[in-house]
Amino acid sequence: DSGVTQTPKHLITATGQRVTLRCSPRSGDLSVYWYQQSLDQGLQFLIQYYNGEERAKGNILERFSAQQFPDLHSELNLSSLELGDSALYFCASSVGALQGTEAFFGQGTRLTVV
Amino acid sequence: GENVEQHPSTLSVQEGDSAVIKCTYSDSASNYFPWYKQELGKRPQLIIDIRSNVGEKKDQRIAVTLNKTAKHFSLHITETQPEDSAVYFCAASITGTGGSYIPTFGRGTSLIVHP
Repeated sequence: DSGVTQTPKHLITATGQRVTLRCSPRSGDLSVYWYQQSLDQGLQFLIQYYNGEERAKGNILERFSAQQFPDLHSELNLSSLELGDSALYFCASSVGALQGTEAFFGQGTRLTVV
Repeated sequence: GENVEQHPSTLSVQEGDSAVIKCTYSDSASNYFPWYKQELGKRPQLIIDIRSNVGEKKDQRIAVTLNKTAKHFSLHITETQPEDSAVYFCAASITGTGGSYIPTFGRGTSLIVHP
């Protein structure tokens, strides 16, 4: 158990809908990263939050947004869903935002858009 | 090009053989290079990492080497076992848009160890 909790584990929804994925980082970790893992696409970085503030953006679509709350949990909102958004979404946390800090992954949320 | 490139995408070996996975990176400011193992249906887990102040690090049957000048690093697994079968990801800390460092991953190598 990494200490990073993601809910829900599985999500099936229809095209055009909106969903929210939730992540609770390890106790004491201030940095949260979101990654998308599609088949054969590796781990694509979406966005990073540190202590409540957005710190970096990757290849995140405009239809996607995220936030980190005062208790440091984070939510990833995906809207106007398309079939191609079906993927495994991982949250990872680390103590800080500096190099050399290990990122711990949650179990992921498998999103299926039908 | 991609920030972190990883080769090969698939590696098939016989039990007991060695396996080598290679990665290159683009950000000269990177100084932390972790390797993650992801078993089917599970989360990626750190198996070993290396920092730029060393050239090699070993942990039992796995080792990593780093060549900062050439910007490449490798994972070596000796005496492979069927339970080593998984997808392996290399990563480098790439400078993000806000100045923080983002663990940026290669596309992964699917290692298959045949008994």
